[in-house]
Amino acid sequence: DAGVIQSPRHEVTEMGQEVTLRCKPISGHNSLFWYRQTMMRGLELLIYFNNNVPIDDSGMPEDRFSAKMPNASFSTLKIQPSEPRDSAVYFCASSDRGHGNTIYFGEGSWLTVV
Amino acid sequence: KQEVTQIPAALSVPEGENLVLNCSFTDSAIYNLQWFRQDPGKGLTSLLLIQSSQREQTSGRLNASLDKSSGRSTLYIAASQPGDSATYLCAVKTSGYSTLTFGKGTMLLVSP
Repeated sequence: DAGVIQSPRHEVTEMGQEVTLRCKPISGHNSLFWYRQTMMRGLELLIYFNNNVPIDDSGMPEDRFSAKMPNASFSTLKIQPSEPRDSAVYFCASSDRGHGNTIYFGEGSWLTVV
Repeated sequence: KQEVTQIPAALSVPEGENLVLNCSFTDSAIYNLQWFRQDPGKGLTSLLLIQSSQREQTSGRLNASLDKSSGRSTLYIAASQPGDSATYLCAVKTSGYSTLTFGKGTMLLVSP
């Protein structure tokens, strides 16, 4: 299996622009997670989907952030408008609840907002 | 609210040493605990997963222990190698339906 695939790997954008991050989970996994990692705050869960349904979005920082999972093989995290404080690494991860809940991470999308 | 702390934040050792990384959590009613490795510029890779009913898990030179009553887990790395240099993160799952709470990690450097 190719693992969790994220795109883009790196993005530099100007403040105010819309940013869309994409994720393809491992085939057959029914849980998908979006995390944000910064030096100051470490890894923070933004939102969690189970069977394509958002279960917990309490970590989404504000209305500028939105996430969708239109089908079992694709999810997006959108930031509109972006701000410099959104600069971070955004990770997508997936898991299969039937396999001991081991979670598999993508390699991350490195976002810089200038 | 579950909080996970990892000590030390950074560790530097010479090659060949045995070492222990520590993880503590505030709520002992956990479902499982995982140790992850993160290389620079990369995502996280799961190393070991310990279910709440287990006391330890082993994989090669790695051994992770879990003491729920004291809210602690340790990751033991035997005969460390330069290739072990990475950040090691501990994460706790409070229930079967909850998500993971991560510590901030221990950055390990193993010198040749």
